Amino acid sequence: QLVLTQSPSASASLGASVRFTCTLTGGYRNHAIAWHQQHPEKGPRYLMTVNSDGSHYKGDGIPDRFSGSTSGAERYLTISSLQSDDEAVYYCQTWAAAFWVFGGGTKLTVL
Amino acid sequence: QITLKESGPSLVKPTQTLTLTCTFSGFSLSTDGVNVAWIRQPPGKALEWLALIYWDDDDRYSPSLRSRLTITKDTSKNQVVLTMTNMDPVDTATYYCAHRHRDTPSTYWGQGTLVTVSS
Repeated sequence: QLVLTQSPSASASLGASVRFTCTLTGGYRNHAIAWHQQHPEKGPRYLMTVNSDGSHYKGDGIPDRFSGSTSGAERYLTISSLQSDDEAVYYCQTWAAAFWVFGGGTKLTVL
Repeated sequence: QITLKESGPSLVKPTQTLTLTCTFSGFSLSTDGVNVAWIRQPPGKALEWLALIYWDDDDRYSPSLRSRLTITKDTSKNQVVLTMTNMDPVDTATYYCAHRHRDTPSTYWGQGTLVTVSS
């Protein structure tokens, strides 16, 4: 069974960097994943897709401060030069022919 | 430009059937590789995938909700409809539809619609 594991919370200071981790389990370590950002009381926004080879594709208008990478079964989202508007919940998500799966989300607090 | 918008009742009673419509533009659900999903989010909780429909009418459902869900499409109207039977207060959530294409990496989200289940 495919499960995406995320830490529930993270915090970092204004101007610093933060890295989120999404771990694929259930034998799906070669799957690509997508990262989505969700501000309070707003709908999710697609950020990027991160492939198993570490390449990533960003959605329209996503700043260069956002990047993706991979190590084994882990997929990362890194945000540099943190801004107050980056405070949000970040979800990873993957898909197969028969289903979509979401991680539990990581809530980012910008200090 | 791809856009999606969910519509439906904001309030349903327990045991009733919920019908939600996703109206979209910027793509056709008859195009090879296109799929549209429904996802929900209870207040303060994480996103949960519900159902998926493909350009070729194939459909998939969350195993935990399969018996209550039906997803259909009307290509001529650019709409995807989700029905959920036997609604319960725990089904109170914001319901989203989203678009993906097999060969492209992006996901496009609708704005969501809040459904409250209460007598």
